[in-house]
Amino acid sequence: EVQLVESGGGLVQPGGSLRLSCVASGFTFSDHYMDWVRQAPGKGLEWVGRSRNKANSYTTEYAASVKGRFTISRDDSKNSLYLQMNSLKTEDTAVYYCAREVSAILSNDAFDIWGQGTMVTVSS
Amino acid sequence: DIVMTQSPDSLAVSLGERATINCKSSQSVLYRSNNKNYLGWYQQKPGQPPKLLIYWASTRESGVPDRFSGSGSGTDFTLTISSLQAEDVAVYSCQQYYSTPFTFGPGTKVDIK
Repeated sequence: EVQLVESGGGLVQPGGSLRLSCVASGFTFSDHYMDWVRQAPGKGLEWVGRSRNKANSYTTEYAASVKGRFTISRDDSKNSLYLQMNSLKTEDTAVYYCAREVSAILSNDAFDIWGQGTMVTVSS
Repeated sequence: DIVMTQSPDSLAVSLGERATINCKSSQSVLYRSNNKNYLGWYQQKPGQPPKLLIYWASTRESGVPDRFSGSGSGTDFTLTISSLQAEDVAVYSCQQYYSTPFTFGPGTKVDIK
């Protein structure tokens, strides 16, 4: 079964750090670009960033709202995607989803596989 | 950044009737070199992650019922549910993946009248 499973969410104080993980199964993880998307309570979806694949040097891109604070990495040997979140703010409170871009060939694509999400709460 | 807007914010449709959701991008998401619109539609039910329904503006994802269809090009797009079923109650969002930052519309909530 093709799936993504996130973990690592929790309650953290403003200014703190947290590392999220996303483990993939059922497909060739190393071929795909992978993204993080978040959703604040009762709000819409916000793209956080992406990791390209090995063929594209694992380069990353970020939303302006998290650039310089969040870092995306991956370990293809473990079929895993990570999101290191530093200097967390209350506005980072959200469910964080990892998602797979459909194609392993095209540079940009829709997100066809999503994890169930992990909740991050930033509060004192 | 490309801004995505949707209308209406919500709609209530009788079972078996048509539901139409509009999405507009602040700039074209049509990539002329391959003639593809980099536009997707997602369905999200409470407590669940989004589910991809439509990509390239009009291509139905595998397993998605054919009552869901997408149309449009450039900056104006439509998601149509031809005959609303009870299980279609959800929030529907469009997304552009033409350029980063990828952006989503605010969502349209669909309910049963």
